[in-house]
Amino acid sequence: GAVVSQHPSWVICKSGTSVKIECRSLDFQATTMFWYRQFPKQSLMLMATSNEGSKATYEQGVEKDKFLINHASLTLSTLTVTSAHPEDSSFYICSAEEGSGISNEQFFGPGTRLTVL
Amino acid sequence: AQKITQTQPGMFVQEKEAVTLDCTYDTSDPSYGLFWYKQPSSGEMIFLIYQGSYDQQNATEGRYSLNFQKARKSANLVISASQLGDSAMYFCAMRERGTGNQFYFGTGTSLTVIP
Repeated sequence: GAVVSQHPSWVICKSGTSVKIECRSLDFQATTMFWYRQFPKQSLMLMATSNEGSKATYEQGVEKDKFLINHASLTLSTLTVTSAHPEDSSFYICSAEEGSGISNEQFFGPGTRLTVL
Repeated sequence: AQKITQTQPGMFVQEKEAVTLDCTYDTSDPSYGLFWYKQPSSGEMIFLIYQGSYDQQNATEGRYSLNFQKARKSANLVISASQLGDSAMYFCAMRERGTGNQFYFGTGTSLTVIP
């Protein structure tokens, strides 16, 4: 299957700092990328959907000024957690897909574990 | 209402036995797709199997099969001949044509395979 990478795989930062997470589709052009957040032993919560070259669409309750998403190219999307606080500590997962359609599989990255001290 | 419901937070199965993980869904869209993903402790989401709403036959992928009962709106995952490596979280997900690309995930079932 297609490969999606995420970097870094884990990060520890101090409260108040900003953290950037990269999501790359390695062997296909991702028309759409998705960012999810997952708390321990819980399901994936969709944060936002991004299409290359356009603004991300955020889910209700997700602060767009807090979680900045940039989908600069068909192979790269970034999530920046600005002024991170301990409650932002979570597992962040991106996914990507090529084309559209209900049978389209989303290819998931390996996730990034963020810990804010 | 929940789009995807997984009522089994945890399941145990003996190695080499079969196990069924339940999933029910709620949609009024006639065109939708159902997915199952596996998430081991390492965190990555691994695609297992897909079933389209118009598919006449139940989907199968190796040891995985999907028991699709459209009238009951259920899409249970059956894992045959369980292996120790099957121990993981399993998520059922749905995508509807009317809502575009969004995936709706269930709360997951933690499967433990006992040697």
